[in-house]
Amino acid sequence: EVQLVESGGGLVQPGGSLRLSCAASGFTFSLYGMNWVRQAPGKGLDLISYISTTSTTIYYADSVKGRFTISRDNVQNSVYLQMNSLRVEDTAVYFCARDLDYEASWGQGTLVTVSS
Amino acid sequence: DIQMTQSPPSLSASVGDRVTITCQASQDIITYLNWYQQKIGKAPKLLIFGASSLETGVPSRFSGSGSGTDFTFTISSLQPEDIATYYCQQYHGLPATFGGGTKVEIK
Repeated sequence: EVQLVESGGGLVQPGGSLRLSCAASGFTFSLYGMNWVRQAPGKGLDLISYISTTSTTIYYADSVKGRFTISRDNVQNSVYLQMNSLRVEDTAVYFCARDLDYEASWGQGTLVTVSS
Repeated sequence: DIQMTQSPPSLSASVGDRVTITCQASQDIITYLNWYQQKIGKAPKLLIFGASSLETGVPSRFSGSGSGTDFTFTISSLQPEDIATYYCQQYHGLPATFGGGTKVEIK
């Protein structure tokens, strides 16, 4: 069974940093691209970052470019999102998702709240 | 980026009604389209992939159709447990992009 478990969310002040982790199991992690998708309170789904299998292709949405960094460890079967210079508008549930194609699978999400 | 326009933003229907949601892509995405169901406080659940293929275990009252730029998602007979927000998402190009969602309520 495919499992994706996010961790690392919490309350942080504006300008602060957080590192999200997503632990994968139940599939060959190194064969899949990975995504971070966020959902602000009461809003829709927004892909903010993607990393390919060998980290050669990386995408960031304009809203997070220069502040967030995605990485992966194919030995630890994990993907990470380093979030710096956090803003109030980054408040959201952050989902880790395996390749958003016919094999899409999602974690349960972790809540990030940016507030003073 | 490919823009996905989903409508309506919300709808209210009675149990047993047929419900239809549409999604339009800003360019040809062939059939590289997913449909998700998201219940409150939960992660999105994949219902339909490839525009019309039903994910394993998903009830047959859910269906999808379309190709190119115009797509339709249908619930043939709305059930109380179908209350959720539904999203389309294209995977023809990077980045994957989502429609704005359709909130389905029971009348």
